[in-house]
Amino acid sequence: EAEVAQSPRYKITEKSQAVAFWCDPISGHATLYWYRQILGQGPELLVQFQDESVVDDSQLPKDRFSAERLKGVDSTLKIQPAELGDSAMYLCASSSSVGGTEAFFGQGTRLTVV
Amino acid sequence: GESVGLHLPTLSVQEGDNSIINCAYSNSASDYFIWYKQESGKGPQFIIDIRSNMDKRQGQRVTVLLNKTVKHLSLQIAATQPGDSAVYFCAENVFGQNFVFGPGTRLSVLP
Repeated sequence: EAEVAQSPRYKITEKSQAVAFWCDPISGHATLYWYRQILGQGPELLVQFQDESVVDDSQLPKDRFSAERLKGVDSTLKIQPAELGDSAMYLCASSSSVGGTEAFFGQGTRLTVV
Repeated sequence: GESVGLHLPTLSVQEGDNSIINCAYSNSASDYFIWYKQESGKGPQFIIDIRSNMDKRQGQRVTVLLNKTVKHLSLQIAATQPGDSAVYFCAENVFGQNFVFGPGTRLSVLP
């Protein structure tokens, strides 16, 4: 069964260090989302891609976060420098179209900033 | 594994009983809705979806009801099993935009 792949599953990093997460969506899915989920809350969008283009990054803290999807397939989310408040689950999801169809999630990357 | 949703509303049901989980959504323009199940330490898993031109949709042991007048969504799980224990999220979507998630409800199935 096709699934969204994310790595690493867990990451511990020190404050002020750089950290990167990788996502490989389901093959053929043009829409890719990065969500952040703080413990006890629902996922919140960071950035949405349609192919290689950013559709929505209004909630991405651009002073420290960046995301790219250069070839319209896999994607990388980077944080530099990491802050204590960035500790959360980072979830990647993909969908075959921009809305109106299922979004499938990966297992997420649990980030702990110490 | 770690716990998802330490301070979420909790619904406790007896094994074998039916469960009803409710969700109020915010955007009257939303035209597509999904219920997700999230187990501890895992990503959200699709359960069932419904479009705004419908008011009810049934799956295997699950039914979603949509009331657009009051912007309310519910998930009914029949004959709840221990494996149904998880956090459940509703997500709303306007075509072309992202999915917006509700706060979640923890379902606890009692033996």
